[in-house]
Amino acid sequence: QLVLTQSPSASASLGASVKLTCTLSSGHSSYAIAWHQQQPEKGPRYLMKLNSDGSHSKGDGIPDRFSGSSSGAERYLTISSLQSEDEADYYCQTWGTGTVVFGGGTKLTVL
Amino acid sequence: QVQLQESGPGLVKPSQTLSLTCTVSGGSISSGSYYWSWIRQPAGKGLEWIGRIYTSGSTNYNPSLKSRVTISVDTSKNQFSLKLSSVTAADTAVYYCARGSPDYDYWGQGTLVTVSS
Repeated sequence: QLVLTQSPSASASLGASVKLTCTLSSGHSSYAIAWHQQQPEKGPRYLMKLNSDGSHSKGDGIPDRFSGSSSGAERYLTISSLQSEDEADYYCQTWGTGTVVFGGGTKLTVL
Repeated sequence: QVQLQESGPGLVKPSQTLSLTCTVSGGSISSGSYYWSWIRQPAGKGLEWIGRIYTSGSTNYNPSLKSRVTISVDTSKNQFSLKLSSVTAADTAVYYCARGSPDYDYWGQGTLVTVSS
C-alpha cells in the first residue's frame, strides 16, 4: 500500500535552516513526490516536484531558499534562511496507478 | 497563468448531494495531459484526495468515497464538477480543485461546504 509518512511537527529559529522529511512506504522508494505549503487560513501552494534521484523542479515564484533532496525512500524539503512567513503546514504528495496519496503534513513553527 | 475557482452551495443538508464546480481560466481544460482533481480538508485536519478526471475523460476515485463520488468535465465551459451523494456531517470540509500532471501544480482557493440540517 502506497503511504507517505511525515512528522507532525518541526521547529527552527528565524534565519536558520530546517529539513523536513517525507518517507515512502516499503516497495515504493523509486516514487517521485511533490511538496506543498499551506500557510494559515490559506489554500495549498505548490512548491516542487522531487524525483528519487534528488532532481527537482520548482513551481512558479518559489524562492531559492526552498530545495529538495532524496535518499532511499526518504524525500526532504530544506528551507534555508527561515522567514516568519515560512511558518506553515507542509504536505508531501505522491501518485500511483489510479491513486493519489498525501502525507499527514508537518506543522513548521518558526521560533 | 492557470487559475482555478471553486463554486457551489456552502450548506448542504444531510443525505443530500453535494455539488461543486471548478472553473479553469488561463488555459483550455481539454489541452495537455492533465488530471483535474478534487481534494478536501476537514477543519484542523490534513488533505484527503477525492478523485480526478483525466483529459481523456477517464476517472479515478478514492476507494473510501468511490460509491458516492462522480467527477465530470464540461469542456465547452472549461469546467469540471464534483458530486458527492448521501452526505453526512463527516463530509463537512474545505473542498479544493487542482490541476495535476500528476503533481498538483495549480490549486483553487477552496470553498467551505458545511453539512447540516
